[in-house]
Amino acid sequence: GAGVSQSPSNKVTEKGKDVELRCDPISGHTALYWYRQSLGQGLEFLIYFQGNSAPDKSGLPSDRFSAERTGGSVSTLTIQRTQQEDSAVYLCASSIRTSGGYEQYFGPGTRLTVT
Amino acid sequence: EDQVTQSPEALRLQEGESSSLNCSYTVSGLRGLFWYRQDPGKGPEFLFTLYSAGEEKEKERLKATLTKKESFLHITAPKPEDSATYLCAVQADYKLSFGAGTTVTVRA
Repeated sequence: GAGVSQSPSNKVTEKGKDVELRCDPISGHTALYWYRQSLGQGLEFLIYFQGNSAPDKSGLPSDRFSAERTGGSVSTLTIQRTQQEDSAVYLCASSIRTSGGYEQYFGPGTRLTVT
Repeated sequence: EDQVTQSPEALRLQEGESSSLNCSYTVSGLRGLFWYRQDPGKGPEFLFTLYSAGEEKEKERLKATLTKKESFLHITAPKPEDSATYLCAVQADYKLSFGAGTTVTVRA
């Protein structure tokens, strides 16, 4: 079946511009996550959506970052007034709860470059 | 705070030369330990989930084991296509806390 898809695959933007990154999770997966992977850094949790519950935004690095999930499916991560330190690969993952935990399946990522 | 440390950072192997990767962790209330493979320019690919100490899982040339403090990923008789970065992550609630990864290069 189809995996997690993300668009665009690459995005180059000028400092100060806003960007939107999109994630389409695996059909039927109720949980959706955004992570960030910076050069030389590990994956960093950003935000988590589960069903209709309020999202966990505890990993968002600043108030320039926001995300929404419409209809329990597609999610958009928005970065306002981008800065050079926002340059990274933004990864989306989705999961369905298994008996032991949440096995997360990742998309290919969006590589964001802020010039 | 959950902590995950992977070693070594990089591993260069000859084809057929078996080795092990280490993942040490501290977490309050482990729900699962995950291994992923990541190829350059791609998202992490799920390999295994381990839930309790003593558990083992295998997939082709890979075998993952778990103790109360660490996990090992054993690569038996690796091939060049096993070259990748291997990521370990722990889950206490729902989010994953990742280690920095071990980059494995297998030479023919």
